[in-house]
Amino acid sequence: AQKVTQAQTEISVVEKEDVTLDCVYETRDTTYYLFWYKQPPSGELVFLIRRNSFDEQNEISGRYSWNFQKSTSSFNFTITASQVVDSAVYFCALSEAQRGANSKLTFGKGITLSVRP
Amino acid sequence: EPEVTQTPSHQVTQMGQEVILRCVPISNHLYFYWYRQILGQKVEFLVSFYNNEISEKSEIFDDQFSVERPDGSNFTLKIRSTKLEDSAMYFCASRDRVGQYSNQPQHFGDGTRLSIL
Repeated sequence: AQKVTQAQTEISVVEKEDVTLDCVYETRDTTYYLFWYKQPPSGELVFLIRRNSFDEQNEISGRYSWNFQKSTSSFNFTITASQVVDSAVYFCALSEAQRGANSKLTFGKGITLSVRP
Repeated sequence: EPEVTQTPSHQVTQMGQEVILRCVPISNHLYFYWYRQILGQKVEFLVSFYNNEISEKSEIFDDQFSVERPDGSNFTLKIRSTKLEDSAMYFCASRDRVGQYSNQPQHFGDGTRLSIL
């Protein structure tokens, strides 16, 4: 069974601080996909990034960066120089690869990030 | 950019009544999903749908729930006799199919907030 753990529940930072959101996952599949979604106060779910299990390269997109470490089953998300607009709930999610079939997303409980001016 | 559209944005229903939540997935997508999020909790998988049939469903998706793709564009979730605990945000998602594996992200609609009185 697949499982995603986001141990941090709430994080509060002051604008321009860097913040790292932790995600640890469990799966028996050798091929799987990891995702981060953002849920702003308006409630929608916004896709941020996907990472394949066979690609451990870290990724940077503007102020966002992701650190995937298979050895520790972690897929952490760092926001550099945080801004008030980054305030949201952030969900890490896992999908196991199934050939030619649907694969549900298993979400963590989410981390509420508050960025204060 | 194409997006998943959900209607209504908010539905208020008396307990015991039937409710239908509607979704228009992205037009070239082949996989469809419903998730729900009880207020303040994580996003939970309900059901996945492909090739006009259910691929997988969770324990939450009991006999009171059904899904349908009646006309090739809409994807509906019906709750036959609503209960108080059905109050939640319901998200529809769709995914493209590229290659054999489920590595494409699911794109979510803005959700329907269902309130059962």
